[in-house]
Amino acid sequence: RKEVEQDPGPFNVPEGATVAFNCTYSNSASQSFFWYRQDCRKEPKLLMSVYSSGNEDGRFTAQLNRASQYISLLIRDSKLSDSATYLCVVNQAGTALIFGKGTTLSVSS
Amino acid sequence: DVKVTQSSRYLVKRTGEKVFLECVQDMDHENMFWYRQDPGLGLRLIYFSYDVKMKEKGDIPEGYSVSREKKERFSLILESASTNQTSMYLCASSLGLAGGPREQFFGPGTRLTVL
Repeated sequence: RKEVEQDPGPFNVPEGATVAFNCTYSNSASQSFFWYRQDCRKEPKLLMSVYSSGNEDGRFTAQLNRASQYISLLIRDSKLSDSATYLCVVNQAGTALIFGKGTTLSVSS
Repeated sequence: DVKVTQSSRYLVKRTGEKVFLECVQDMDHENMFWYRQDPGLGLRLIYFSYDVKMKEKGDIPEGYSVSREKKERFSLILESASTNQTSMYLCASSLGLAGGPREQFFGPGTRLTVL
């Protein structure tokens, strides 16, 4: 049962590049969507919520396409500090969230 | 800032031992969660609790039990540890359900090795 799928990568990009990650989810009744960031050997932390109209936070833009059941994350002007694993997260019924396995990004100078 | 703490960062136990992993949050969150994270498998939900003394099974509850006697504390118990329970264990908490699923705040994790 693959409820949230992501390309594991790794995505290797130079500083300043624009990179996009996609994620698909299987439960059409899902209502809440998030991107989390996890650094190596650290706990996941919320990067941003994903709203139906799309939303932007600085260099990061999240989009939701309910018809196709996918979520995207766009990172512009990549920094070395953006190197991490990005987890796509979708709600299940009730309080539980379903985490994707993550997409690894490596930004090099 | 929300703070979620876990009793140990690293733990080494022997097969058959009873293991307690403790998690405490200081933000009066209603919901608490236990996950394990393994390479290639991602985060998998073991148990969660939405209130004191309440618990719900997640995707992989076998071999585990939980206890929530106080709102701020959620314990994960391995009744008889096995080598396949070697993993990173992450605790998380969030506000209650009203308004929909909320951001989960994670503790730093406990890396458990069962020999």
